[in-house]
Amino acid sequence: GAVVSQHPSRVICKSGTSVKIECRSLDFQATTMFWYRQFPKQSLMLMATSNEGSKATYEQGVEKDKFLINHASLTLSTLTVTSAHPEDSSFYICSARVRVNYGYTFGSGTRLTVV
Amino acid sequence: QKEVEQNSGPLSVPEGAIASLNCTYSDRGSQSFFWYRQYSGKSPELIMFIYSNGDKEDGRFTAQLNKASQYVSLLIRDSQPSDSATYLCAVTGSYNTDKLIFGTGTRLQVFP
Repeated sequence: GAVVSQHPSRVICKSGTSVKIECRSLDFQATTMFWYRQFPKQSLMLMATSNEGSKATYEQGVEKDKFLINHASLTLSTLTVTSAHPEDSSFYICSARVRVNYGYTFGSGTRLTVV
Repeated sequence: QKEVEQNSGPLSVPEGAIASLNCTYSDRGSQSFFWYRQYSGKSPELIMFIYSNGDKEDGRFTAQLNKASQYVSLLIRDSQPSDSATYLCAVTGSYNTDKLIFGTGTRLQVFP
């Protein structure tokens, strides 16, 4: 089945530093990847849609200069949280769709803790 | 009005019973409907997706879709304690068929 590999699974960083999260589609090409954030006991909120070879599309209220997305190849999308603050602590998850009329596959998630 | 609504629960059912999970959505043009299961601290895993009105069965799971009523449900037969998790309903929008919109999820508890 389709697999999306996400790394790291857990990261703790100091306030003010940047953190990069990678998502790779292992056995399919993902022209589009979706980045979600999930706070405790809440649902997944879409942050942005990354498109291979072009700029990402950000959801309303998401700062594009703070959450940098790069989708340089058909199998790799990265999310960089710049100048992280404690309020950025959350569970970040990426997702991709193998093809039309198929489900969306999620990465295993990254638990970010900013101290 | 939220785009995708679910009862947060918890829904408690005894082992072996049928668990019924419900979801309503606001975008009448939505085309694709998904049910995901999420264990605490883990990412969602796909259970089923459905596109057409009616029922779709896969093992112990049955998804039901009624586009006229903008309603989608998930039935879990012979519920097991391992089914205890949060079930997320997700819908694609009519104006952007790739973007998934999630409900807040229903927490299911199956007790022995």
